[in-house]
Amino acid sequence: DAMVIQNPRYQVTQFGKPVTLSCSQTLNHNVMYWYQQKSSQAPKLLFHYYDKDFNNEADTPDNFQSRRPNTSFCFLDIRSPGLGDAAMYLCATSRDLRENQPQHFGDGTRLSIL
Amino acid sequence: DQQVKQNSPSLSVQEGRISILNCDYTNSMFDYFLWYKKYPAEGPTFLISISSIKDKNEDGRFTVFLNKSAKHLSLHIVPSQPGDSAVYFCAASGSNYKLTFGKGTLLTVNP
Repeated sequence: DAMVIQNPRYQVTQFGKPVTLSCSQTLNHNVMYWYQQKSSQAPKLLFHYYDKDFNNEADTPDNFQSRRPNTSFCFLDIRSPGLGDAAMYLCATSRDLRENQPQHFGDGTRLSIL
Repeated sequence: DQQVKQNSPSLSVQEGRISILNCDYTNSMFDYFLWYKKYPAEGPTFLISISSIKDKNEDGRFTVFLNKSAKHLSLHIVPSQPGDSAVYFCAASGSNYKLTFGKGTLLTVNP
């Protein structure tokens, strides 16, 4: 089945220690998104890639970076995680940005900061 | 400022009855609306969508209604089943195709 896969499902890191979250997709979609979701909150868009074109949301902290080495993979790098970065991180894809269509989500990575 | 609001954090319904989940939005530029369902420890799953040129879209037991003048949409589930118990997120997008989500409503369907 075509899908969006996030690894790992659970990640524990230490305060200030860089961490990388991974997302892969078999849908061959052009757009990949990263969202942060805290408890009882709405998912918040951090950034997205349209093919190789990176688009950062205005309020995304500089601490968050992303890489998309190819169509299938996208990574979220948190350079110096703080306690406030503990959250669920969701990856999503969509075919393109030229028409209304649903985004398809992975199961998320829950990040804990010690 | 929340542009998409789901004012009911939770809803409890008896099996077989109708579930009605509500969503309000403030941005008049939104023209595409979606509902997602989320089980614990899983990502959101797309359920149903509606374009602003319509006022109703139906898919099996799920119907979404859009009232553009009131900036309100609702999701009706008939009949409700225990397996429908999940968090339901309303989302909206405009010309930039980015999704803005509500905070979600936890639906519990009791057997």
